[in-house]
Amino acid sequence: RKEVEQDPGPFNVPEGATVAFNCTYSNSASQSFFWYRQDCRKEPKLLMSVYSSGNEDGRFTAQLNRASQYISLLIRDSKLSDSATYLCVVSGDSSYKLIFGSGTRLLVRP
Amino acid sequence: EPEVTQTPSHQVTQMGQEVILRCVPISNHLYFYWYRQILGQKVEFLVSFYNNEISEKSEIFDDQFSVERPDGSNFTLKIRSTKLEDSAMYFCASSEPGLRNNEQFFGPGTRLTVL
Repeated sequence: RKEVEQDPGPFNVPEGATVAFNCTYSNSASQSFFWYRQDCRKEPKLLMSVYSSGNEDGRFTAQLNRASQYISLLIRDSKLSDSATYLCVVSGDSSYKLIFGSGTRLLVRP
Repeated sequence: EPEVTQTPSHQVTQMGQEVILRCVPISNHLYFYWYRQILGQKVEFLVSFYNNEISEKSEIFDDQFSVERPDGSNFTLKIRSTKLEDSAMYFCASSEPGLRNNEQFFGPGTRLTVL
């Protein structure tokens, strides 16, 4: 089983749509969870940390379900500039290394 | 806003040559990392560095790789004898653990091409 698993997509949505990405992780002792976005041939950029209580940042909402080892990201009112690959990232149980999923590609069309 | 910087942006080298990739982490961060991303694949952890020593390394980080913090600002990754399969984007990252959930901030990367 992959350490962090994501649907590769692509998700092709119109501007203004709401889109949700999911991710599962295998290590139940993982401590920290993140969503990063990566534009083509660029560095991963931190979008948001994910907390058990759920958190929201503008149009973005992230949820964590530790029992199911499941992380989600919801993007409301999609913009053209949201087109990117969204990386689900987990930090180890006793380690600071980040474990990346392969990413979910989002294409927002006019 | 403070950011991680990396040089060079692109390095082309012959197989068997040594390369040094350079990074300047965010100034008040204490943990430093190297990751790599082979084209079309996911980002992979190489090594973490804290208090002037390696704190963790992956299986990829074999004897051909080394890291160093030669002064108060630079953090380098050296590959002693490059192989074709070392061709990848190499990202440096830094973080301030304990303060914000180990959020790591990445530099723009160095694209290494081994011929």
